[in-house]
Amino acid sequence: ETGVTQTPRHLVMGMTNKKSLKCEQHLGHNAMYWYKQSAKKPLELMFVYSLEERVENNSVPSRFSPECPNSSHLFLHLHTLQPEDSALYLCASSPGTGDSYSPLHFGNGTRLTVT
Amino acid sequence: AQKVTQAQTEISVVEKEDVTLDCVYETRDTTYYLFWYKQPPSGELVFLIRRNSFDEQNEISGRYSWNFQKSTSSFNFTITASQVVDSAVYFCALSGTLTGANSKLTFGKGITLSVRP
Repeated sequence: ETGVTQTPRHLVMGMTNKKSLKCEQHLGHNAMYWYKQSAKKPLELMFVYSLEERVENNSVPSRFSPECPNSSHLFLHLHTLQPEDSALYLCASSPGTGDSYSPLHFGNGTRLTVT
Repeated sequence: AQKVTQAQTEISVVEKEDVTLDCVYETRDTTYYLFWYKQPPSGELVFLIRRNSFDEQNEISGRYSWNFQKSTSSFNFTITASQVVDSAVYFCALSGTLTGANSKLTFGKGITLSVRP
């Protein structure tokens, strides 16, 4: 099994749909992250969880709702998205406690298209 | 605020050429960390290296080498004898150690490297 697994790989949804992105890590790490990668822009940190507790919420619109039921799983629930939310959503984990200086291990990402 | 600039956006080389990817950073922290990540077409970013601001020794790992120069605030990455499998987007990133905005990991916009056979 790869270290960090994201499903689905691709998702197309309408603006009124509700969907969820799933991330699972098999590395025994304590921290998990959601990043957004848009074309021509630097990676944007969305949420950080450390030991299932949210430690960072980077002014993300409420139409994105994270959930971390345990230290191995992370979800991103999506509802009433906008076309500008189309992007690659990357999940990552790290052995740290949600700090910014521990190396990150990324999944392959979910390519989201909002129509 | 901290900033990472990767001025090169796209680089194309022929296999076996050497290529250097530039990274210039700005921070007010005296202690910070610099990173390079590789993003192949499959999508996942792969961690390549982390350097502490107190360690200016250059590092070599196989065909990869990194040149950290605090005097010019640069952390450049050189691939020697490039191969097609090196084709990817390469990100430089900076993390300060203070609380607040500089404790975040700041990424550059990335450099798309294409290695042609």
